[in-house]
Amino acid sequence: NAGVTQTPKFRVLKTGQSMTLLCAQDMNHEYMYWYRQDPGMGLRLIHYSVGEGTTAKGEVPDGYNVSRLKKQNFLLGLESAAPSQTSVYFCASSYPSTSGGEETQYFGPGTRLLVL
Amino acid sequence: GNSVTQMEGPVTLSEEAFLTINCTYTATGYPSLFWYVQYPGEGLQLLLKATKADDKGSNKGFEATYRKETTSFHLEKGSVQVSDSAVYFCALRLNQAGTALIFGKGTTLSVSS
Repeated sequence: NAGVTQTPKFRVLKTGQSMTLLCAQDMNHEYMYWYRQDPGMGLRLIHYSVGEGTTAKGEVPDGYNVSRLKKQNFLLGLESAAPSQTSVYFCASSYPSTSGGEETQYFGPGTRLLVL
Repeated sequence: GNSVTQMEGPVTLSEEAFLTINCTYTATGYPSLFWYVQYPGEGLQLLLKATKADDKGSNKGFEATYRKETTSFHLEKGSVQVSDSAVYFCALRLNQAGTALIFGKGTTLSVSS
């Protein structure tokens, strides 16, 4: 049971390049999230998904797209990278609780992205 | 809106000192409250949580009590160790399915021997 994994671990991009970050979870979780972490800002939600084939915008969605074609995978795409997207990206997953809320979110190890 | 405010760091302590990291929140309704820890170079790990008022979360010697009257969830540990050096995040989540965590900015703790 690997939990939540993210690839790649580190990437350097030039402005205008595109890339896709992959998040995979083997816990059969319904919910998946992408956050970005910047110094002094904590973590901010980019996009999230409450199930296969569904996605929704978070707090800072501009410049990113996502897809959830398979339940276990959640992809984050940057179509045209900008220096402002230099950050550490974390994926998380969780599942509904029996009380109607949500269980604990489990986080991946992060992807460090540098846009020059 | 919903938000979390935690004390600015860094916090620097000697081994075996008492730790308090303050966290207050603003939320509509009755959120669940969390403390996550991030060790250097790693992702976030859940440290403890509380889902309703007066609940106390505890783990690895850390404790935090959900205080509705003061909208607080302060993290405490009686005797810190060098291995506790990390960044600590307070977070809340509204009790609705598919709701993301709202994080504080994080507090860096450095413990020296």
